[in-house]
Amino acid sequence: NFMLTQPHSVSESPGKTVTISCTRSSGSIASNYVQWNKQRPGSSPTPVIYEYKERAAGVPDRFSGSIDSSSNSASLTISGLQIEDEADYYCQSYDSSNQNVIFGGGTRLTVL
Amino acid sequence: QVTLRESGPALVKPTQTLTVTCTVSGFSLTTRGLCVNWIRQPPGKAPEWLARIDWDEDQYYNTSLRSRLTISRDTSKNQVVLRVTNMDPVDTGTYYCARAQLANYYYYMDVWGKGTTVTVSS
Repeated sequence: NFMLTQPHSVSESPGKTVTISCTRSSGSIASNYVQWNKQRPGSSPTPVIYEYKERAAGVPDRFSGSIDSSSNSASLTISGLQIEDEADYYCQSYDSSNQNVIFGGGTRLTVL
Repeated sequence: QVTLRESGPALVKPTQTLTVTCTVSGFSLTTRGLCVNWIRQPPGKAPEWLARIDWDEDQYYNTSLRSRLTISRDTSKNQVVLRVTNMDPVDTGTYYCARAQLANYYYYMDVWGKGTTVTVSS
C-alpha cells in the first residue's frame, strides 16, 4: 500500500484562506479518488470533499478540493476561514489492488 | 434519516476476541451501491480502515490485519458485526462504522456513527 502524507498542522486567521496538502508516496494521485474528512475533538469524522473536488451534502462552497499531478498530491482549500473550521482534517484514498482504504496522518487546523 | 450506531464492550482483556456491532437505520444493507465499513482510531492518532461489507455481501479486509478480522451482517436485524481476535493493548481506540455509497465513480463514506471506545487491558 502507498502512504498519504499531510502537514501536521496549519494555522491561519479568520477570513483568510488555507490549503492542506495530501501527498501520495507511490503511484499516481490521479489513479484513485481522494476524500477529505473533518473531525472536531470528541466527534466522529464527517465528509467534506469526495472524488477529489465534490462537496459533501451541506458543506459550504468555501471548501474546495483539487489535485496536482506534478506534486502527486490532493489539496483541500478553505476560504473565508471561520472559527468553526478549526478541526483535524484527514484525507483518504484507496488501493485498487485490494480495495484497502488508506488514511493520511491528519492536519490540525488552528484558526486564530 | 440515515444513522449508524456502534455497540460493544468498553473493556477487553489481551488475547480475547472483540465483537462490535453496527446497527443501521434509514437504509437497507442490501441496497445496490451501498456498503458498510469499520474504521478504528487510536487515541490521538489517525483513523485506520479495517473492513468493508458490500450490499451483495462481498467483503474486503485490511491486508495487514486480515488474519484477525471477520465482518458479517444480519439483514433481519440491520446489523453489521466485526470480530477482532487476539486483542492487544495497541488495539485500544474508538471503533467506528461508516456507510459508503457509490458516488459518480467510486464509494465515498457519507455517514459515520458516533463510535464505541474499546480499551484493551488486563
